[in-house]
Amino acid sequence: GEDVEQSLFLSVREGDSSVINCTYTDSSSTYLYWYKQEPGAGLQLLTYIFSNMDMKQDQRLTVLLNKKDKHLSLRIADTQTGDSAIYFCAETYTDKLIFGTGTRLQVFP
Amino acid sequence: EPEVTQTPSHQVTQMGQEVILRCVPISNHLYFYWYRQILGQKVEFLVSFYNNEISEKSEIFDDQFSVERPDGSNFTLKIRSTKLEDSAMYFCASRGSDRDFFDSPLHFGNGTRLTVT
Repeated sequence: GEDVEQSLFLSVREGDSSVINCTYTDSSSTYLYWYKQEPGAGLQLLTYIFSNMDMKQDQRLTVLLNKKDKHLSLRIADTQTGDSAIYFCAETYTDKLIFGTGTRLQVFP
Repeated sequence: EPEVTQTPSHQVTQMGQEVILRCVPISNHLYFYWYRQILGQKVEFLVSFYNNEISEKSEIFDDQFSVERPDGSNFTLKIRSTKLEDSAMYFCASRGSDRDFFDSPLHFGNGTRLTVT
């Protein structure tokens, strides 16, 4: 069935770039999403990319999509301590989202 | 910016009791959803709702669950007889109008943490 995979942890130094990776299975996904979840909080939509795009940039965030390999990445430039959170990748399947396990990003000074 | 709001933020209930989780989707949205996240696990789809009926539901969404849009603004999830394993964070979400459905991301509320004791 549909599946979205992410690595569980990423640790980076403040000021460095973070790259969070995701692989998905459904090649017919129209949109792919990145959500951020801080401890005890809801799901904040960070950005999304339409499947006919390769790249989308939004301030410090860059999303890269490789449709052939079904690989999605989120790059956060100049990572700050406030970026520490869990980041979820999600693909659309029919009318719903299939979420990855989430990557816990820890930013240290 | 308009947002999805959910109440209460935390609900504690005893096993076997009925609970109703409430959501107010973004006002011009037409598609509504419930997801849940058991602590430490993935966010899982429960149900989607459009035009006053369920569009799709997952295996999790059994006869103990129901959804309703009782008026023009609220969207509720009812669990008839709660079980310990229903303890989770429940997220409501909505997305756009018919016109912009395919360019309309899913917007989530902050969730209701349900604890069944």
